[in-house]
Amino acid sequence: DAGITQSPRHKVTETGTPVTLRCHQTENHRYMYWYRQDPGHGLRLIHYSYGVKDTDKGEVSDGYSVSRSKTEDFLLTLESATSSQTSVYFCAISESIGLDTQYFGPGTRLTVL
Amino acid sequence: RKEVEQDPGPFNVPEGATVAFNCTYSNSASQSFFWYRQDCRKEPKLLMSVYSSGNEDGRFTAQLNRASQYISLLIRDSKLSDSATYLCVRRGNTGFQKLVFGTGTRLLVSP
Repeated sequence: DAGITQSPRHKVTETGTPVTLRCHQTENHRYMYWYRQDPGHGLRLIHYSYGVKDTDKGEVSDGYSVSRSKTEDFLLTLESATSSQTSVYFCAISESIGLDTQYFGPGTRLTVL
Repeated sequence: RKEVEQDPGPFNVPEGATVAFNCTYSNSASQSFFWYRQDCRKEPKLLMSVYSSGNEDGRFTAQLNRASQYISLLIRDSKLSDSATYLCVRRGNTGFQKLVFGTGTRLLVSP
Protein backbone atom coordinates (compact mmCIF):
# COMPACT_ATOMS: atom_id res chain seq x y z
CA ASP A 1 0.00 0.00 0.00
CA ALA A 2 1.10 3.55 -0.78
CA GLY A 3 2.30 5.47 2.26
CA ILE A 4 -0.51 7.95 2.73
CA THR A 5 -1.98 8.98 6.05
CA GLN A 6 -4.76 11.40 6.84
CA SER A 7 -5.49 13.15 10.08
CA PRO A 8 -7.78 13.33 11.82
CA ARG A 9 -9.66 10.24 10.73
CA HIS A 10 -12.90 11.46 12.28
CA LYS A 11 -13.99 14.92 13.30
CA VAL A 12 -17.19 16.51 14.51
CA THR A 13 -17.32 20.27 14.50
CA GLU A 14 -19.81 23.09 14.59
CA THR A 15 -20.95 25.39 11.82
CA GLY A 16 -18.72 28.42 11.45
CA THR A 17 -15.57 26.90 12.91
CA PRO A 18 -12.37 26.50 10.89
CA VAL A 19 -11.18 23.00 10.19
CA THR A 20 -7.89 21.75 8.76
CA LEU A 21 -7.37 18.27 7.42
CA ARG A 22 -3.90 16.93 6.83
CA CYS A 23 -2.60 14.53 4.23
CA HIS A 24 0.90 13.12 4.61
CA GLN A 25 2.73 10.93 2.09
CA THR A 26 6.01 9.08 2.25
CA GLU A 27 6.19 8.26 -1.49
CA ASN A 28 7.71 11.56 -2.63
CA HIS A 29 5.02 11.83 -5.32
CA ARG A 30 4.69 15.19 -6.99
CA TYR A 31 0.91 15.33 -7.32
CA MET A 32 -1.55 15.42 -4.45
CA TYR A 33 -5.33 15.74 -4.50
CA TRP A 34 -8.24 16.34 -2.18
CA TYR A 35 -11.60 14.75 -2.98
CA ARG A 36 -14.90 14.58 -1.20
CA GLN A 37 -17.30 11.66 -1.45
CA ASP A 38 -21.02 12.02 -0.84
CA PRO A 39 -23.97 9.68 -1.43
CA GLY A 40 -25.29 10.01 -4.96
CA HIS A 41 -22.09 11.62 -6.18
CA GLY A 42 -18.86 10.16 -7.37
CA LEU A 43 -15.67 11.37 -5.80
CA ARG A 44 -15.34 15.04 -6.64
CA LEU A 45 -12.07 16.92 -6.84
CA ILE A 46 -11.74 19.88 -4.48
CA HIS A 47 -8.17 21.04 -5.07
CA TYR A 48 -4.96 19.54 -6.30
CA SER A 49 -1.27 20.30 -6.12
CA TYR A 50 1.38 19.77 -8.77
CA GLY A 51 4.33 20.71 -6.58
CA VAL A 52 5.36 22.59 -3.49
CA LYS A 53 3.40 25.83 -3.34
CA ASP A 54 1.69 24.97 -6.64
CA THR A 55 -2.02 24.35 -6.29
CA ASP A 56 -5.13 24.71 -8.37
CA LYS A 57 -8.88 24.43 -8.00
CA GLY A 58 -10.96 21.40 -8.76
CA GLU A 59 -14.66 21.24 -9.51
CA VAL A 60 -15.98 21.89 -5.98
CA SER A 61 -13.43 24.28 -4.51
CA ASP A 62 -15.79 26.92 -3.04
CA GLY A 63 -15.36 27.14 0.73
CA TYR A 64 -12.05 25.30 0.72
CA SER A 65 -8.43 26.36 0.59
CA VAL A 66 -5.24 24.30 0.44
CA SER A 67 -1.57 24.67 1.12
CA ARG A 68 1.49 22.64 0.32
CA SER A 69 4.68 23.86 1.92
CA LYS A 70 6.45 20.50 1.72
CA THR A 71 6.33 17.67 -0.80
CA GLU A 72 4.93 15.29 1.77
CA ASP A 73 2.13 17.41 3.24
CA PHE A 74 -1.06 18.75 1.68
CA LEU A 75 -3.47 20.59 3.93
CA LEU A 76 -7.16 21.21 3.27
CA THR A 77 -8.80 24.03 5.21
CA LEU A 78 -12.46 24.80 5.62
CA GLU A 79 -12.33 28.45 6.65
CA SER A 80 -15.83 28.43 8.13
CA ALA A 81 -17.39 25.00 8.08
CA THR A 82 -20.97 24.56 6.90
CA SER A 83 -23.31 21.57 7.17
CA SER A 84 -23.01 21.04 3.40
CA GLN A 85 -19.35 20.21 3.96
CA THR A 86 -20.25 17.16 5.99
CA SER A 87 -18.60 14.46 3.93
CA VAL A 88 -15.83 11.91 3.67
CA TYR A 89 -12.63 13.52 2.47
CA PHE A 90 -9.99 11.53 0.64
CA CYS A 91 -6.48 12.57 -0.18
CA ALA A 92 -4.78 10.99 -3.18
CA ILE A 93 -1.31 11.04 -4.68
CA SER A 94 0.20 10.26 -8.03
CA GLU A 95 3.66 10.33 -9.48
CA SER A 96 2.62 12.02 -12.69
CA ILE A 97 -0.50 13.36 -14.37
CA GLY A 98 -0.52 11.29 -17.52
CA LEU A 99 -1.46 7.64 -17.32
CA ASP A 100 -0.43 7.30 -13.73
CA THR A 101 -2.56 5.71 -11.03
CA GLN A 102 -3.87 7.71 -8.12
CA TYR A 103 -3.46 6.16 -4.68
CA PHE A 104 -5.88 7.15 -1.97
CA GLY A 105 -5.47 7.74 1.73
CA PRO A 106 -7.82 6.15 4.29
CA GLY A 107 -10.18 9.13 4.41
CA THR A 108 -11.42 11.59 7.00
CA ARG A 109 -15.05 11.50 8.06
CA LEU A 110 -16.13 15.07 8.85
CA THR A 111 -19.45 16.00 10.41
CA VAL A 112 -20.46 19.65 10.66
CA LEU A 113 -23.34 20.22 13.06
CA ARG B 1 -26.45 13.73 -18.06
CA LYS B 2 -23.66 12.66 -15.72
CA GLU B 3 -20.23 12.26 -17.27
CA VAL B 4 -19.98 8.72 -15.95
CA GLU B 5 -23.07 6.68 -15.14
CA GLN B 6 -23.34 3.39 -13.32
CA ASP B 7 -26.17 1.21 -12.09
CA PRO B 8 -25.94 1.54 -8.30
CA GLY B 9 -27.13 -2.03 -7.72
CA PRO B 10 -26.82 -3.87 -5.48
CA PHE B 11 -26.06 -6.91 -7.57
CA ASN B 12 -26.70 -9.96 -5.40
CA VAL B 13 -24.96 -13.08 -6.70
CA PRO B 14 -24.02 -16.46 -5.22
CA GLU B 15 -20.43 -17.57 -4.88
CA GLY B 16 -19.08 -18.91 -8.14
CA ALA B 17 -21.37 -16.85 -10.31
CA THR B 18 -20.31 -14.63 -13.17
CA VAL B 19 -21.43 -11.03 -12.94
CA ALA B 20 -20.98 -8.05 -15.24
CA PHE B 21 -21.35 -4.33 -14.72
CA ASN B 22 -21.57 -1.65 -17.35
CA CYS B 23 -20.62 1.98 -17.15
CA THR B 24 -21.52 4.62 -19.74
CA TYR B 25 -19.67 7.85 -20.34
CA SER B 26 -20.67 11.00 -22.16
CA ASN B 27 -17.37 12.51 -23.24
CA SER B 28 -16.17 10.86 -26.40
CA ALA B 29 -12.77 12.51 -26.00
CA SER B 30 -12.06 10.47 -22.87
CA GLN B 31 -8.60 9.05 -23.05
CA SER B 32 -8.54 6.16 -20.66
CA PHE B 33 -10.62 4.33 -18.13
CA PHE B 34 -10.21 2.51 -14.87
CA TRP B 35 -12.11 0.33 -12.49
CA TYR B 36 -11.56 1.06 -8.80
CA ARG B 37 -12.80 -1.08 -5.96
CA GLN B 38 -14.04 0.44 -2.72
CA ASP B 39 -14.81 -1.61 0.36
CA CYS B 40 -17.30 -0.28 2.87
CA ARG B 41 -15.88 2.76 4.71
CA LYS B 42 -12.51 2.32 3.03
CA GLU B 43 -10.59 4.17 0.36
CA PRO B 44 -10.88 3.39 -3.36
CA LYS B 45 -8.16 1.16 -4.75
CA LEU B 46 -7.28 0.61 -8.38
CA LEU B 47 -8.60 -2.72 -9.63
CA MET B 48 -7.55 -2.45 -13.24
CA SER B 49 -6.96 -0.04 -16.07
CA VAL B 50 -8.86 -0.26 -19.32
CA TYR B 51 -7.07 0.85 -22.46
CA SER B 52 -8.08 0.54 -26.11
CA SER B 53 -9.56 -2.95 -26.51
CA GLY B 54 -9.68 -3.80 -22.81
CA ASN B 55 -7.73 -6.25 -20.68
CA GLU B 56 -7.92 -9.26 -18.39
CA ASP B 57 -6.48 -9.88 -14.96
CA GLY B 58 -7.25 -13.29 -13.51
CA ARG B 59 -10.99 -13.53 -12.90
CA PHE B 60 -11.55 -9.94 -13.97
CA THR B 61 -12.04 -8.74 -17.53
CA ALA B 62 -12.59 -5.15 -18.56
CA GLN B 63 -13.83 -4.15 -21.99
CA LEU B 64 -14.08 -0.78 -23.68
CA ASN B 65 -16.57 0.00 -26.42
CA ARG B 66 -15.77 3.46 -27.77
CA ALA B 67 -18.47 3.38 -30.42
CA SER B 68 -21.20 2.93 -27.81
CA GLN B 69 -19.29 4.81 -25.11
CA TYR B 70 -19.33 2.23 -22.38
CA ILE B 71 -16.95 0.06 -20.45
CA SER B 72 -17.74 -3.17 -18.70
CA LEU B 73 -16.31 -5.25 -15.90
CA LEU B 74 -16.81 -9.00 -15.85
CA ILE B 75 -16.08 -11.01 -12.74
CA ARG B 76 -15.94 -14.77 -13.09
CA ASP B 77 -16.18 -17.31 -10.27
CA SER B 78 -17.24 -14.67 -7.74
CA LYS B 79 -15.77 -14.88 -4.25
CA LEU B 80 -17.21 -13.59 -0.99
CA SER B 81 -14.25 -11.20 -0.90
CA ASP B 82 -15.39 -9.61 -4.15
CA SER B 83 -18.24 -7.93 -2.26
CA ALA B 84 -17.53 -4.23 -2.63
CA THR B 85 -18.50 -1.17 -4.61
CA TYR B 86 -16.92 -0.90 -8.04
CA LEU B 87 -16.21 2.60 -9.30
CA CYS B 88 -15.96 3.39 -12.99
CA VAL B 89 -13.47 6.15 -13.69
CA ARG B 90 -12.53 8.00 -16.84
CA ARG B 91 -9.61 10.30 -17.51
CA GLY B 92 -9.88 13.20 -19.89
CA ASN B 93 -7.25 13.89 -22.47
CA THR B 94 -7.02 17.66 -22.29
CA GLY B 95 -5.50 20.04 -19.79
CA PHE B 96 -5.29 18.63 -16.31
CA GLN B 97 -6.63 15.22 -17.37
CA LYS B 98 -8.69 14.94 -14.24
CA LEU B 99 -10.31 11.72 -13.17
CA VAL B 100 -14.10 11.60 -13.24
CA PHE B 101 -15.67 9.02 -10.96
CA GLY B 102 -18.95 7.24 -11.26
CA THR B 103 -21.07 6.73 -8.16
CA GLY B 104 -20.30 3.04 -8.10
CA THR B 105 -22.02 -0.31 -8.44
CA ARG B 106 -22.43 -2.35 -5.31
CA LEU B 107 -21.80 -6.10 -5.47
CA LEU B 108 -22.85 -8.53 -2.78
CA VAL B 109 -21.62 -12.10 -3.09
CA SER B 110 -23.39 -14.58 -0.84
CA PRO B 111 -22.43 -18.13 0.24
